[in-house]
Amino acid sequence: EAGVTQFPSHSVIEKGQTVTLRCDPISGHDNLYWYRRVMGKEIKFLLHFVKESKQDESGMPNNRFLAERTGGTYSTLKVQPAELEDSGVYFCASSQDIPGGGTVHSPLHFGNGTRLTVT
Amino acid sequence: KNEVEQSPQNLTAQEGEFITINCSYSVGISALHWLQQHPGGGIVSLFMLSSGKKKHGRLIATINIQEKHSSLHITASHPRDSAVYICAADPDGNQFYFGTGTSLTVIP
Repeated sequence: EAGVTQFPSHSVIEKGQTVTLRCDPISGHDNLYWYRRVMGKEIKFLLHFVKESKQDESGMPNNRFLAERTGGTYSTLKVQPAELEDSGVYFCASSQDIPGGGTVHSPLHFGNGTRLTVT
Repeated sequence: KNEVEQSPQNLTAQEGEFITINCSYSVGISALHWLQQHPGGGIVSLFMLSSGKKKHGRLIATINIQEKHSSLHITASHPRDSAVYICAADPDGNQFYFGTGTSLTVIP
């Protein structure tokens, strides 16, 4: 099966420009998560989709970030306008829902990330 | 083939038990991270290791660079330790290769 794919793998943009990152989860995975790692620091949660609905967007840093998941398939994360401090690696992960699974964990599958550099 | 393999995938323990979660990796690393994911998806960084052993409260993380293996131990486990624990290999200080996580449930 194809894994989680993210596009582009690298993006270099100037401050003030707009960038859109894309994540294609594994087919059939209802849960989709966005995370980011700012240079050398710890990874931080951004938001969680269940199908097309935002389950938790408490990690979104500010209103320059907009995430969508139309139709509950792929997701996009748009940064507009980009600032220098937005540079880092943006990761996406997906997992299945396990109906009635309770505490049983559905494995998380991460993409390779998009390395964003804002100059 | 995954660059990072974790075991077990799911683990249920009684309160007070000693818990071990294992992580094997195949890539060269500058560091190995242990992360804790809460039910909503938020991730907390527990440890970043490049050699030896680190301890924080009841959590202990060890790494064997030659064997490319790391373990996370929890002593005197408690229900509040219930979470998903993720191992991530860090080749260059910025990228990650993630394991698929270990779901821990600690029963009172």
